[in-house]
Amino acid sequence: DQQVKQNSPSLSVQEGRISILNCDYTNSMFDYFLWYKKYPAEGPTFLISISSIKDKNEDGRFTVFLNKSAKHLSLHIVPSQPGDSAVYFCAASVPNTNAGKSTFGDGTTLTVKP
Amino acid sequence: DAGITQSPRHKVTETGTPVTLRCHQTENHRYMYWYRQDPGHGLRLIHYSYGVKDTDKGEVSDGYSVSRSKTEDFLLTLESATSSQTSVYFCAISELGIGELFFGEGSRLTVL
Repeated sequence: DQQVKQNSPSLSVQEGRISILNCDYTNSMFDYFLWYKKYPAEGPTFLISISSIKDKNEDGRFTVFLNKSAKHLSLHIVPSQPGDSAVYFCAASVPNTNAGKSTFGDGTTLTVKP
Repeated sequence: DAGITQSPRHKVTETGTPVTLRCHQTENHRYMYWYRQDPGHGLRLIHYSYGVKDTDKGEVSDGYSVSRSKTEDFLLTLESATSSQTSVYFCAISELGIGELFFGEGSRLTVL
C-alpha cells in the first residue's frame, strides 16, 4: 500500500502561469512534509517543507499548502519559469521515530513552456 | 552544497556478481540513507544508518546489505546482483534525522 501518492505523473504549464502539484497521503501519523526537486542526472534537492501544525508555508515563488483532514498537500509555483522544469517529489515523515525516515511519492514531471 | 560523494557513478555488471557502492560525506552528519529510484516507484529506502555500526532496514532491503565503520562512509553491497537491482541509487544524509535530506548525485547500476 503506497502511503504517499502523486497521482499526476506529469504537468505542463506556460511560463508565468501557476503550477500546482498535488500529493495525497494515507498514514495519519505523518507529521512533517517536504517537497524535493530533481533535475536529470542529479540528486534530489530540498525545496520546501511544512509541519502538520501549519496549513501553509511560503518561500519566494513556492508555497506549500497542507489540508490535514483531507490528507492532502499541494505545491504552488507562481510564476512558473522554464528553469522550474524538473521532477518534483513529495515526501512525508513521522518525527520522533528512528531516523525520521521519509516516504516518497512517485514524482510529478513539471514542464514549463516558454 | 552538502559534501556527499557517491562512487562509482556508473557501473555495468553481470548477474551474480557482487557490487559495492560507496557514499562518502564530509559533513559529519549522523544519519545516512540509501535509496533507489525506479520509474513509477519514486524513491524507496533500502537501508539507513543512525550512527557508526548502527544500521537498519528500509522498505526494500532484500538482496542488500550495508556497513558503516566510520561516520563519513556508508557502503551498500549487493552480494549477488540481479537484473531487478538495475536502478539509480542515491545516498542521502541528515544531521538530526528530521527535516530535509541532502542527496548525492546518484550511482547508476545496470545488471545484465
